[in-house]
Amino acid sequence: KAGVTQTPRYLIKTRGQQVTLSCSPISGHRSVSWYQQTPGQGLQFLFEYFSETQRNKGNFPGRFSGRQFSNSRSEMNVSTLELGDSALYLCASSPGQVFEAFFGQGTRLTVV
Amino acid sequence: DQQVKQNSPSLSVQEGRISILNCDYTNSMFDYFLWYKKYPAEGPTFLISISSIKDKNEDGRFTVFLNKSAKHLSLHIVPSQPGDSAVYFCAASASGTYKYIFGTGTRLKVLA
Repeated sequence: KAGVTQTPRYLIKTRGQQVTLSCSPISGHRSVSWYQQTPGQGLQFLFEYFSETQRNKGNFPGRFSGRQFSNSRSEMNVSTLELGDSALYLCASSPGQVFEAFFGQGTRLTVV
Repeated sequence: DQQVKQNSPSLSVQEGRISILNCDYTNSMFDYFLWYKKYPAEGPTFLISISSIKDKNEDGRFTVFLNKSAKHLSLHIVPSQPGDSAVYFCAASASGTYKYIFGTGTRLKVLA
């Protein structure tokens, strides 16, 4: 069974640009969550989607948004990038209830 | 407000001995807990979980203990192996929130 796939693995963007990250969950998993990992803050919850509906959102500015498609694949978008958005962005999938979440390898975003 | 705390940033243990990683939480609504292992530049790997209806769960060399009255959980690794050297995160979730709150991690080093 294939794991969680995130693309791209690495990304360099300039301040003010926008970026879209992609996540393909484990087959059969309908819940996709996004987390931001920075050295000082650990893993911070961004949002969670289930069957194309956002069920929860973390304390991030509106520049961070996401969506989920009917095949459960998810994208997150960050607009007007700031230097502080440089981080490892992790996607996790789970069957849907509060089960173990399985993470992808992440997308390393660097904003210069 | 750090709802999940891992107060030991690092831990060194001799190979073959027991590693004990600790985690404290403040939110009494948390009812599901997980431990993840993370290597640099990779996503977290799920290790073991426990629900609040249990006080112990074992999986091979890994055992998680939950003390609800103290709002404390711990991960025991016996025997510790050099390949266990990584950063360990505990995470907690409350039913219906569809998100995990992570601790800041403990770096375990197992010395050969």
